Amino acid sequence: KNQVEQSPQSLIILEGKNCTLQCNYTVSPFSNLRWYKQDTGRGPVSLTIMTFSENTKSNGRYTATLDADTKQSSLHITASQLSDSASYICVVSGSNDYKLSFGAGTTVTVRA
Amino acid sequence: KAGVTQTPRYLIKTRGQQVTLSCSPISGHRSVSWYQQTPGQGLQFLFEYFSETQRNKGNFPGRFSGRQFSNSRSEMNVSTLELGDSALYLCASSFPNRDEQFFGPGTRLTVL
Repeated sequence: KNQVEQSPQSLIILEGKNCTLQCNYTVSPFSNLRWYKQDTGRGPVSLTIMTFSENTKSNGRYTATLDADTKQSSLHITASQLSDSASYICVVSGSNDYKLSFGAGTTVTVRA
Repeated sequence: KAGVTQTPRYLIKTRGQQVTLSCSPISGHRSVSWYQQTPGQGLQFLFEYFSETQRNKGNFPGRFSGRQFSNSRSEMNVSTLELGDSALYLCASSFPNRDEQFFGPGTRLTVL
């Protein structure tokens, strides 16, 4: 069964600090991995999409890395802002059937 | 370009009733997927429609059904509502190659 596991489940950081979220997956064969940001009560918004050949991609203060060999990805948030408080979801797509496997998400709370 | 729209945004029903939710995809997108999101289960895939045909289906009971119209708009229906159906229902649209999905704001369904 294809799985996506995210850690930590939640974290609290002070405004201005950095943090890193982890995503481990077992989806195989692999097509792409996406990170989404979901604000409370809203739909997820795509942050990055990475394919097998990409090992890093940035979107402003968000930087995602991918190690397809170890099936691990991370999302690094630099100089956090209060608006970064949200749930971050890792989504992996398999190349056979294009079905999406979702992680449970990491809830980030940024405090002033 | 208008995003994915979902109606209604909020809905309150009682057990045993049925409900229909609507999703209008981004113009040009022909694939529409539906997801259920609950605090305990995270995002769970319901089904995907493309060109008025169901292309993929998740592991939900037959009470959950959907359809897609010729203009790519989609509806999902839940019959004989149960308390556990209370959730945020998200719709996402994409181009046929499915590389990236764009989510709507969701419909918050509460079953009393």
